[in-house]
Amino acid sequence: SQTIHQWPATLVQPVGSPLSLECTVEGTSNPNLYWYRQAAGRGLQLLFYSVGIGQISSEVPQNLSASRPQDRQFILSSKKLLLSDSGFYLCAQRVGQGQSLHFGNGTRLTVT
Amino acid sequence: DQQVKQNSPSLSVQEGRISILNCDYTNSMFDYFLWYKKYPAEGPTFLISISSIKDKNEDGRFTVFLNKSAKHLSLHIVPSQPGDSAVYFCAASFSGSRLTFGEGTQLTVNP
Repeated sequence: SQTIHQWPATLVQPVGSPLSLECTVEGTSNPNLYWYRQAAGRGLQLLFYSVGIGQISSEVPQNLSASRPQDRQFILSSKKLLLSDSGFYLCAQRVGQGQSLHFGNGTRLTVT
Repeated sequence: DQQVKQNSPSLSVQEGRISILNCDYTNSMFDYFLWYKKYPAEGPTFLISISSIKDKNEDGRFTVFLNKSAKHLSLHIVPSQPGDSAVYFCAASFSGSRLTFGEGTQLTVNP
């Protein structure tokens, strides 16, 4: 079975501060991993995806970055947060060879 | 360019009645469609999917209908239960590409 750990569950950060959100997965080696964001009143927006260690693809240009230092670890970062970075950040993993995704429980980020 | 759209941000139905959630797409290359359900402060969970070679898929109280000519899919929940109250996202992909999600519809089932 697939388990995704995301932390922290909630985070309040001032504008201009750095960010680091961590996601770790269990149960599958070499998983395809994704970072999504759900902003208030909006759908799920794909931010980054990774097919392997050190391999990151960005979907939306912004002040966020992602890294995959280990096979089952995916990190979302920012050097300086903006107010518009507030939202619900979700890490996801592709389910087997199928096309569905399994999501973690997310991190609620509020930038003040 | 919003390739997957859910035009109704919210829907309210009575317990026991049918809930119909709609989704439209613009990319004719999409060949796989999914519905996810999301409770507050939780990640979305997979609900049901349909391949473009079918026009209907049923799983218990949930049925997804696909109309390729209209580029439209819908999720029917019968009978609706209060525990079904959640945000529902439709998603689409083609040839195993990344999922493209709609904006979501908040379903409220009233007792």
